[in-house]
Amino acid sequence: EVQLVESGGGLVKPGGSLRLSCVASGFTLRTYHMNWVRQAPGKGLEWVSSITSSSSYRFEADSVRGRFIISRDNTKNSLFLQMNSLTVDDTGVYYCTRASSGYEPPDIWGQGTLVAVSS
Amino acid sequence: IQLTQSPSSLSASVGDRVTITCRASQGISSDLTWYQQKPGKAPKLLIYAASTLQSGVPSRFSGGGSGTDFTLTISSLQPEDFATYYCQQLTTYPITFGPGTRLEIK
Repeated sequence: EVQLVESGGGLVKPGGSLRLSCVASGFTLRTYHMNWVRQAPGKGLEWVSSITSSSSYRFEADSVRGRFIISRDNTKNSLFLQMNSLTVDDTGVYYCTRASSGYEPPDIWGQGTLVAVSS
Repeated sequence: IQLTQSPSSLSASVGDRVTITCRASQGISSDLTWYQQKPGKAPKLLIYAASTLQSGVPSRFSGGGSGTDFTLTISSLQPEDFATYYCQQLTTYPITFGPGTRLEIK
């Protein structure tokens, strides 16, 4: 079965850090463009960051630039999101998604991992 | 590129035909995607390239439009269609989503 499974979410204090992971199964991650998308409680979807298949290019939303770093390890079929200097506005469910390219829509989404930033 | 959706919420009955609109702040050709999301679940890809139905999606869903104005139409609502619908543009970074349209049972 083709799937993405996120982990690493949890409760963290403002200013803290978390590292999210996303493991792919049923397909080879290295051929896909990967993304992180988040959703604050009761709110809409927000794109966070994207990385090309060979890690040549990375893109981030203005809201996370300088604080979040997307990376991947194709040998481990894994995607990561290092999140630093977290604020309460970063609270939400974080989804990893795959796409055939940066101009193709994500067709597979993980189940999401919850990040809660609170003092 | 900003996306707006209308209406923000909609009440309809099983069997109704409904149309949701997505408008882009500048032209995006046909680079418009539609997702369906149910509570507590990840979004599901419905339509891409404005009008191409994703494999496995029922034919009662259809999409149209190009440039700045797009539509998602459900020809005959089924009980499982009550959900929130989002549009998304992939023409340029930052990737953006519309605010969503909540489709509720009347």
